[in-house]
Amino acid sequence: GAGVSQSPRYKVAKRGQDVALRCDPISGHVSLFWYQQALGQGPEFLTYFQNEAQLDKSGLPSDRFFAERPEGSVSTLKIQRTQQEDSAVYLCASSLSIWGYEQFFGPGTRLTVL
Amino acid sequence: AQKITQTQPGMFVQEKEAVTLDCTYDTSDPSYGLFWYKQPSSGEMIFLIYQGSYDQQNATEGRYSLNFQKARKSANLVISASQLGDSAMYFCAMREANNAGNMLTFGGGTRLMVKP
Repeated sequence: GAGVSQSPRYKVAKRGQDVALRCDPISGHVSLFWYQQALGQGPEFLTYFQNEAQLDKSGLPSDRFFAERPEGSVSTLKIQRTQQEDSAVYLCASSLSIWGYEQFFGPGTRLTVL
Repeated sequence: AQKITQTQPGMFVQEKEAVTLDCTYDTSDPSYGLFWYKQPSSGEMIFLIYQGSYDQQNATEGRYSLNFQKARKSANLVISASQLGDSAMYFCAMREANNAGNMLTFGGGTRLMVKP
């Protein structure tokens, strides 16, 4: 079966542009997570969805970051007015159930802000 | 304080030998889970092994085993019989039960390089 997919795999944006990153979780997975991974570091939590409900957005670094999952499947992470410090790999992960311990990760989107 | 600490930025191991990657953690939650992920150069995070805080035995998955020392708050990953394909970044992570979001907290990672 298909794993978690993300698109685009690579995105180059000029500073100030808006970007949208897409995540297609494994079909039927209830939980969806977004993480940000800066170069040479471990991933850091951004936000969490349980179905369509965004239950935790404590990791979003600023109000320029916005995520949605309107139908409880595909999710989009939007970054407005991108800054150079937003350059990172954005990882999406999904989990079968609320208490499912294994998170399946997508390949990530590498965002470079010039 | 860092919740997950990986003190080895880089490690070399000879092919076919065993290697231990260190991980210490910090939590006051009595219920938690510890994870190890592998991240090859392609970027995808690959789940390797899981240890629950109440598990009595150390977790094993094929060539991977987790040396769980609860009192010392350490969860070291042991890879036996290293292979060239094991060269990658390895991340230790924790999920705390009182964390309603179920998110993972990751360490800074260890880059493992397997020498032929």
